[in-house]
Amino acid sequence: AQTVTQSQPEMSVQEAETVTLSCTYDTSENNYYLFWYKQPPSRQMILVIRQEAYKQQNATENRFSVNFQKAAKSFSLKISDSQLGDTAMYFCAYLKAAGNKLTFGGGTRVLVKP
Amino acid sequence: ETGVTQTPRHLVMGMTNKKSLKCEQHLGHNAMYWYKQSAKKPLELMFVYNFKEQTENNSVPSRFSPECPNSSHLFLHLHTLQPEDSALYLCASSQVTGGINQPQHFGDGTRLSIL
Repeated sequence: AQTVTQSQPEMSVQEAETVTLSCTYDTSENNYYLFWYKQPPSRQMILVIRQEAYKQQNATENRFSVNFQKAAKSFSLKISDSQLGDTAMYFCAYLKAAGNKLTFGGGTRVLVKP
Repeated sequence: ETGVTQTPRHLVMGMTNKKSLKCEQHLGHNAMYWYKQSAKKPLELMFVYNFKEQTENNSVPSRFSPECPNSSHLFLHLHTLQPEDSALYLCASSQVTGGINQPQHFGDGTRLSIL
């Protein structure tokens, strides 16, 4: 069974600084997708960034980028130029290709301080 | 606005009550999901529906009964719940094309409290 582990329960960062969230996963599949979701206090789960396992190039979405290390089964998220609105829970998630069972990590709470 | 609407936003019920959670998606997706989010636990997938057919039941107790009358609507019928069922229940939808699943879009959830 696939598992997703986020080892940092909580992190804080100063506004405009950079923070990196770690995520590791376990799978025997070769083709899959990885996601980072953001859940602010409003509760809405928002997709931040997505990575396809067959692509070597790391995904980037504005201030959000990932470091995907397939051999190490690692998928970290870097938030650059942190903003107060980035304060939220961040969840790493795994999806097997051609599957629809999304497996989530336990989440990392990010607090951006002014 | 993600295109996935859940009602009610909050629900308080006794253990003997019967209530239903509703989810509606306006994205033209063909797959819908129920998740349970409890404190200090990862999100747990409960049910998956593809084209109105249930394709996944993640060992959910029978006191939770899903219903998917069409691809846009998903219900979760609740009866005889236990205090440990208190949680945030999230609905999601996605488009599955050629066996490839696009990212899931989530609603705001229903905060359920069992007295």
